[in-house]
Amino acid sequence: EPEVTQTPSHQVTQMGQEVILRCVPISNHLYFYWYRQILGQKVEFLVSFYNNEISEKSEIFDDQFSVERPDGSNFTLKIRSTKLEDSAMYFCASSERFHNNQPQHFGDGTRLSIL
Amino acid sequence: DAKTTQPNSMESNEEEPVHLPCNHSTISGTDYIHWYRQLPSQGPEYVIHGLTSNVNNRMASLAIAEDRKSSTLILHRATLRDAAVYYCILRDVEGGSNTGKLIFGQGTTLQVKP
Repeated sequence: EPEVTQTPSHQVTQMGQEVILRCVPISNHLYFYWYRQILGQKVEFLVSFYNNEISEKSEIFDDQFSVERPDGSNFTLKIRSTKLEDSAMYFCASSERFHNNQPQHFGDGTRLSIL
Repeated sequence: DAKTTQPNSMESNEEEPVHLPCNHSTISGTDYIHWYRQLPSQGPEYVIHGLTSNVNNRMASLAIAEDRKSSTLILHRATLRDAAVYYCILRDVEGGSNTGKLIFGQGTTLQVKP
């Protein structure tokens, strides 16, 4: 069964450094998402992306965050100047369509640790 | 966004059925009811969804109340691998366009005893 893959599985970065989290969505999916989960807390929506544009972003997704689909297969989340509070699991997801009966398929996440 | 209410935790014995309840009294007519689960150290996983009628798939069954104000996820025969956090999520259409985002609550933590 096709799956969403994320790399790296664990990223350790010094505060203030830039980090790029990578995702390969399911090949025929057109809609992409990033979520994050701080340890012990709820999964939180960050951003949705379609047709090379952000469709929606949450309040968490401020100017230090950006997303890109640099080629036909990858979908990346960049954090420009990391803060301690950015430490979390980051999950990428994809779906065929936005419609509210379409499931989203998640990767197993990247654990981001900011020192 | 319409909200859901789930018990914080439930326990089950292995190989027995599990009924996970969800209340969504403010559900609108166009809200689909989705269930996801999150196994330890993994990303959320789609389980099942429905609108009005009961639904079955290889993972579970979804029973939806006639007034749609509640639903129940049914695992017919729990295994140790089913120990996870189960999320009941309403997918709504906002202002005529679907934003696509999932809004996760705290979910129900299911423990399965051998």
